[in-house]
Amino acid sequence: EDKVVQSPLSLVVHEGDTVTLNCSYEVTNFRSLLWYKQEKKAPTFLFMLTSSGIEKKSGRLSSILDKKELFSILNITATQTGDSAIYLCAVTGANSKLTFGKGITLSVRP
Amino acid sequence: DAGVIQSPRHEVTEMGQEVTLRCKPISGHNSLFWYRQTMMRGLELLIYFNNNVPIDDSGMPEDRFSAKMPNASFSTLKIQPSEPRDSAVYFCASSFKGTGTYFGNTIYFGEGSWLTVV
Repeated sequence: EDKVVQSPLSLVVHEGDTVTLNCSYEVTNFRSLLWYKQEKKAPTFLFMLTSSGIEKKSGRLSSILDKKELFSILNITATQTGDSAIYLCAVTGANSKLTFGKGITLSVRP
Repeated sequence: DAGVIQSPRHEVTEMGQEVTLRCKPISGHNSLFWYRQTMMRGLELLIYFNNNVPIDDSGMPEDRFSAKMPNASFSTLKIQPSEPRDSAVYFCASSFKGTGTYFGNTIYFGEGSWLTVV
């Protein structure tokens, strides 16, 4: 059975801090790893990673994948209160099946 | 562009009643997913369809749950009879899965149906 484990489960930081969110996985026939941000409603897409060692970047967010060690990290620099959300990691395995971790709840305090 | 559309947005029902959740995927997408989200278990995949055919329903909790996709633009998730432990947010999501070399895909979520069974 495919498995995604995220850590820490929750995190409280102050504005301006840098955070690193972790995601490890076990999946049959790995295709891709995805990061989503969920605020009050539906998860919204952040990154899709398919190759090891290639950093994806969008503004203050960046992510990288290590397919040998089976993990990914999501970094957020200079955090803002608007970054407060649940960050979900998911992997696509055989037959397009997307398995999610339980998410990391990030709270950024002013 | 319209995203994934779900209805109802909120439903409160009594234990034992039938609940039907509806989903309209993004036009042109050929994969559709039903997820359930709770605080305890996070996002769980219940079932997904590719080209209207159920591919994996191993996440469906029990026989009280059923899902159909009669055509490319509509799917339902039915719970009969409902129980309080079914209270959760039910998300529908869709994506496009092409043929040939395949490296994964981005799926797009609807805003969820917030179900409370009392």
